[in-house]
Amino acid sequence: KNQVEQSPQSLIILEGKNCTLQCNYTVSPFSNLRWYKQDTGRGPVSLTIMTFSENTKSNGRYTATLDADTKQSSLHITASQLSDSASYICVVSSTSYDKVIFGPGTSLSVIP
Amino acid sequence: DAGVIQSPRHEVTEMGQEVTLRCKPISGHNSLFWYRQTMMRGLELLIYFNNNVPIDDSGMPEDRFSAKMPNASFSTLKIQPSEPRDSAVYFCASSFFGTGAYEQYFGPGTRLTVT
Repeated sequence: KNQVEQSPQSLIILEGKNCTLQCNYTVSPFSNLRWYKQDTGRGPVSLTIMTFSENTKSNGRYTATLDADTKQSSLHITASQLSDSASYICVVSSTSYDKVIFGPGTSLSVIP
Repeated sequence: DAGVIQSPRHEVTEMGQEVTLRCKPISGHNSLFWYRQTMMRGLELLIYFNNNVPIDDSGMPEDRFSAKMPNASFSTLKIQPSEPRDSAVYFCASSFFGTGAYEQYFGPGTRLTVT
């Protein structure tokens, strides 16, 4: 069964600190993996997209890694800001037409 | 570009009523997705259109749900009759399906409450 799991479920960190969110998937065949940020009351916004051949991709203070062999990905946030408080969703695409399977998300709270 | 536009942003209706949600994708995009988000189930794909043709509707929960895309710039998701368990946020997203990995752009969502 195609599944995407994320950990931790929720996380609270102090402003300025770094954090890493985890994503494990059992989706096959694999097309690409994305990390989305979803602010409360808004639609998800893409942070990174990685295909099978990519093992790291950065977008400002966000760096995603992908290990296609172990089917694991991580999202590292550097020097967190209050505006980073959101839900971070790992999404894996399994087919060429971009059918996606969503993880449950990690709720991140950055506190002053 | 204004991004993906959805209307209404909020909808409150009584059980049994018909509900129609609307979406205008980003101009030039050829793929459109309808998603539903609830606390219990997270984000779920309902239906996917490519070039206005429904490609995958396996996520549509039951016959009460129907979706159309009469042209490249407009899609509707209809629920008839609505039930309280349909209460959720419904997102529309669009992308350009070509080669490689392509980004999906989400609309702001329609929050549906069925009483």
